[in-house]
Amino acid sequence: DAGVIQSPRHEVTEMGQEVTLRCKPISGHNSLFWYRQTMMRGLELLIYFNNNVPIDDSGMPEDRFSAKMPNASFSTLKIQPSEPRDSAVYFCASGALAGHNEQFFGPGTRLTVL
Amino acid sequence: KQEVTQIPAALSVPEGENLVLNCSFTDSAIYNLQWFRQDPGKGLTSLLLIQSSQREQTSGRLNASLDKSSGRSTLYIAASQPGDSATYLCAVPGAAGNKLTFGGGTRVLVKP
Repeated sequence: DAGVIQSPRHEVTEMGQEVTLRCKPISGHNSLFWYRQTMMRGLELLIYFNNNVPIDDSGMPEDRFSAKMPNASFSTLKIQPSEPRDSAVYFCASGALAGHNEQFFGPGTRLTVL
Repeated sequence: KQEVTQIPAALSVPEGENLVLNCSFTDSAIYNLQWFRQDPGKGLTSLLLIQSSQREQTSGRLNASLDKSSGRSTLYIAASQPGDSATYLCAVPGAAGNKLTFGGGTRVLVKP
């Protein structure tokens, strides 16, 4: 299996622009998680889905952030409009609801908002 | 609210020495505990997952112990190598079983 796939790997944009991050989970996994990592706050869970349904979005910082999972093999995290303080590494992870609930992480998207 | 702490934040050891990494959590009602490794500029790699019913889990040179009652886990890395240099994070899920709360990580440097 190719593991969790994220795109783009790097994104540089200007303040006010819309940013869309993409994730393809591991085939067969039915949980998907979006995390953000910064030096100041470490790793924070933004939102997670079970069976394509958003379960907990309490970590989404503001209404500027939205996430969708239209099917079992694809999810997006959108920031509109973006701000410099959104600069961070965004990770997507997937796991199986049954069993040990082990999570597997993608390589991340490094976002820089100028 | 679950809080996860890792001390020390950074650790430097000579090659060959055993590594001992600590993780503590405030709510002992955990489902499991997961240890990850993160290399600079990379994602997280899962190292070990230890279930709440287990006392320890081993994989090669890695051994993780879990003491739920005291809210602690320890990751032991035997005979450290320069390739072990990385940041190590521990994480525990919430009551629902899969919402992870992470510690701040321990940055390890193994000197040749």
